[in-house]
Parts: sequence; C-alpha cells; structure tokens
Amino acid sequence: GENVEQHPSTLSVQEGDSAVIKCTYSDSASNYFPWYKQELGKGPQLIIDIRSNVGEKKDQRIAVTLNKTAKHFSLHITETQPEDSAVYFCAASKTGGGNKLTFGTGTQLKVEL
Amino acid sequence: GAVVSQHPSWVICKSGTSVKIECRSLDFQATTMFWYRQFPKQSLMLMATSNEGSKATYEQGVEKDKFLINHASLTLSTLTVTSAHPEDSSFYICSALGAGGPPGGELFFGEGSRLTVL
Repeated sequence: GENVEQHPSTLSVQEGDSAVIKCTYSDSASNYFPWYKQELGKGPQLIIDIRSNVGEKKDQRIAVTLNKTAKHFSLHITETQPEDSAVYFCAASKTGGGNKLTFGTGTQLKVEL
Repeated sequence: GAVVSQHPSWVICKSGTSVKIECRSLDFQATTMFWYRQFPKQSLMLMATSNEGSKATYEQGVEKDKFLINHASLTLSTLTVTSAHPEDSSFYICSALGAGGPPGGELFFGEGSRLTVL
C-alpha cells in the first residue's frame, strides 16, 4: 500500500519568514495530494490540494508543488503569521482507491513573534 | 463549505462500557464516510470505511466486533466502541465524501470526538 513520509516533524520560524514542509509518497498511482491544517483538539481542515496533472498550485500565501518523477510534494507558506501555528498533514490518494487518504506523520509548525 | 458534525465532542466513560459517536453530514448526502483514530502527537489512522446501507470495511488490525459502525442513512454514520478500555482512549475523527472534487469526491472532516476511558 501507499506510504507517505513527511519532514520535518517540527518547524519553528520567525513571523514573516517562509515555511516549507516536504512529503514523499511510494505509490506512483497516487494522483491527489491534499494538505490539512489541524489545530489542537480539532479535526483537520483542508488548506490546499493538487492533482497529479499539475506541477504547482498557489492560493494567496500558500503554495504546493508536485514532482511526480521524484514522487514528492511540498507545502510552502510565505509571510508566516502566528495563526499559522498548527500541525500540518500531507496526504495522498488515488483514483480507484476508494477515496482512502494515506496521511503523513505531521509537522508541528510554530511561528514565533 | 460543507459541514460534518460529530457528537459528542468529548466523552469520559468507565472501563467496560460502550460509547457511541455520531457523524452527520449537515448539508449534503454522503454515501461514504470514513472513521479515523488519532493518538496524541500522531497522525490519523484510517479505521474503517462506512458505506450507506452496507457493512463497513475495516482496515487491517481493526477489530470489527469492538468498533461497530452503522451507516443507516445518507447523512449519519455511527461508531460504537464496545467494552471500552483505557487503551481505546483516543481522538476519533470522521470524514464524509461529498460529490465533486478529486479524485472521486471531496472529503469533509468532522471536528473529532475525544474519548477518555477511565
């Protein structure tokens, strides 16, 4: 089955700096890659996603890049703010896979003032 | 966006009792719902896939007789933890599959239910 690895496990940045979180996946058939933000005690919230037919997608301060050949994708957050502090999860799924998501291990992002 | 509601948001029970958690899609019909378990500082682990009107499909290692799942309508799935023990204490999260979005539909997550077994 699919295996998704995520790095780093913790990330601390200064307010205004950029943050990058990276994930790799093992199943070349995976074609959908969402990113979730989870605040303490809450369910995950979709922040951005990308399909395998696109190499990059941007939504204001958040962007995701995908390298299908290398089987890795990354989340980029620019101009970080304290409210960006949370745990971020990447995930992967594939058509015909029953819409099952395989999650990465998570990254605790802390944005310091 | 679509809303998925879980109830209760937290519950404390005694060891040996059963606890039911509800997952409702409030403004859309969900033929498929998923149940996840998340231990502290860990990722979400899929427990089972719940399909309306049929038996749930459990992931390897998940005891179907312990975690009873019922998806009786297009807007409601329930997870019952039977004979709960302290090791079942966890954060249980559901997600509901809506129409549209890739690859087969967009997933909407509930806010989670914190179970503590004493």
